[in-house]
Amino acid sequence: EVQLVESGGGLVKPGGSLRLSCAASGFTFSTYSMNWVRQAPGKGLEWVASISTTRSNKYYADSVKGRFAISRDNAKNSLYLQMDSLRAEDTAVYYCARASLPSLWGQGTLVTVSS
Amino acid sequence: NFMLTQPHSVSESPGKTVTITCTGSSGSIARNYVQWYQQRPGSAPTTVIYEDNQRPSGVPDRFSGSIDSSSNSASLTISGLKAEDEADYYCQSYDGSNWVFGGGTKLAVL
Repeated sequence: EVQLVESGGGLVKPGGSLRLSCAASGFTFSTYSMNWVRQAPGKGLEWVASISTTRSNKYYADSVKGRFAISRDNAKNSLYLQMDSLRAEDTAVYYCARASLPSLWGQGTLVTVSS
Repeated sequence: NFMLTQPHSVSESPGKTVTITCTGSSGSIARNYVQWYQQRPGSAPTTVIYEDNQRPSGVPDRFSGSIDSSSNSASLTISGLKAEDEADYYCQSYDGSNWVFGGGTKLAVL
């Protein structure tokens, strides 16, 4: 089955760190650019970061630049998002999404930043 | 930065047709493909239209997409509305390599 499964979400204190993972299956992961998209409670979708197939190009939203790092391991069919210096406004469901037409989305993992 | 603007909400009766617009802030919206996502409460977004007007397999032909260059906007039209179409709808395009989303439109089927 073609799917993306996120993991690693949870409750973290402001200033803390968290690493999200996204496991891909059912397709050739290494041939697709990948994205992270988030959705704060009751809000719309916000693109967070993207990474090219060979990891040579990485792009970030201004809201997370310098704090978040996207990476991938094509041998493990996995995408990651290292989140440092977390803030309350980073509280959201985080989705990984394949950059294809049509795109493919995971079910999301909830990150809550609160003291 | 390129932005996409959608109406906050629309409503229509079952069996009718509704159109949701997505207006680009600058440049030509036709320069890059537009996608439309449906999101029901508690679920991840799913694609209902990609490449401006293409439907993924499994999406009924009641859903259609179009581009209007004169108004620099994309549109999602849903005909023969059903209760199950009640959801949030997001348009998405690109600013360079970055994804850009509209703010979302809540569709109520009354």
